[in-house]
Order: sequence, then C-alpha cells, then structure tokens
Amino acid sequence: AQKVTQAQTEISVVEKEDVTLDCVYETRDTTYYLFWYKQPPSGELVFLIRRNSFDEQNEISGRYSWNFQKSTSSFNFTITASQVVDSAVYFCALIAPYYNTDKLIFGTGTRLQVFP
Amino acid sequence: DSGVTQTPKHLITATGQRVTLRCSPRSGDLSVYWYQQSLDQGLQFLIQYYNGEERAKGNILERFSAQQFPDLHSELNLSSLELGDSALYFCASSVASGLAGERNEQYFGPGTRLTVT
Repeated sequence: AQKVTQAQTEISVVEKEDVTLDCVYETRDTTYYLFWYKQPPSGELVFLIRRNSFDEQNEISGRYSWNFQKSTSSFNFTITASQVVDSAVYFCALIAPYYNTDKLIFGTGTRLQVFP
Repeated sequence: DSGVTQTPKHLITATGQRVTLRCSPRSGDLSVYWYQQSLDQGLQFLIQYYNGEERAKGNILERFSAQQFPDLHSELNLSSLELGDSALYFCASSVASGLAGERNEQYFGPGTRLTVT
C-alpha cells in the first residue's frame, strides 16, 4: 500500500519559533519521490520541494529545511524562525511509480498557524 | 504564479446540472492532472493526460470525464451533479509522462471552487 501520514492536524506557534512538520510515508517501491506543498489561505497549492528516494541528502532553502530518513520512512519539514506569512496548510505527498503512474498521493495536511 | 491557469475560479450550480472546468498547463508541460479537494476526502487524484492521451485514472466517478486537446489545454466535465460534488478542483501540469524516468514536480493552478446547491 502507498500512504502518507501527517499525524499533526494543527500546530500553533508564536513568530520566531522553530517548527517541524512530520511526514511518514509507506510504499513498496524502491524508487519513489516525496514532495511538500503549501496551501495558504488564498487556496492555491504551491510546490516547495521534491526529494528522490535515492538522494538522502538533506536540503536547506533559506528558513526551510527538510530531513529525509529512509530508515524511518520520514520526510520532515522544519521552518526556522517562523513568520506570520508561513501560516498555511502544508501537505506532504508521494509518487510511487510501481504501476507507471505519477499521481500524487497526499497526506491529510498540517495546518500551521503563526501568531505575531 | 505557477503558470497553470484554470477557469472559472468559482462556479455555483444546481443538482443535476453539468459543468465544464478548463485548464491550461504551463508552457512546455505535456502532462495534465486533475485533483479534487474536499473536506471529507482530502486531496484525491482524478485523472492524468499526457500529450492528448489518458495516462492514469484515479477515483474518478463515471459521471465525470476529461480530455486534453491538441493545444494541450484540458477540460474536466462533471455531469448529473450532486451535493457531494462540491469541492475545490485543481489542475496541475508537469513535464513527466508517467511511463519511465524521473517523476517531476507538479505545478498547480489556482483551482475552481464548485458549489452544488
């Protein structure tokens, strides 16, 4: 089975706090792709990052960083020094190409609220 | 701005009616995907087209159909609408085909919010 679990439904922090959003995935594929998307209150889905299963290097982009751990099937997302503009729903997603498909399998999302 | 456009932004219609949602992919992208976002089902994949041909199908109802035209824009047709079809419908595009090779990120349009009354 292919599945993405985001156990944190909602997180509230005060500006400048660091926050980590958890993502756990399941797939039997040996090659797969992981993604994070942001959905701000305006509703659009914004692509943040793609990670291939064969590249376990962690990535940092400004205040955003991602920790990919195959051993625990996790792909966590950390926002450092959070800002009010980071308030959004964040989705973790998986593409598992076992059946030659590239449909995105989404988690249920984590709503992040950053208060001033 | 992702480069993917969707029209209309909002649509309000009655049960039993038929509507058409339109999507134009990013320049150069050959794959178009349709997703439905609802409160109870979350984000669900509906269907994918690649260069005019259907490539993959998800949990798409028989009342729904889609196509991709030679200019690569796509339309999602929803018929015999029910209250439960009210949702946000997203179109996404990517360069990937779903057959082989790396899977690229999908860029999403702003969505069409459908309300069935």
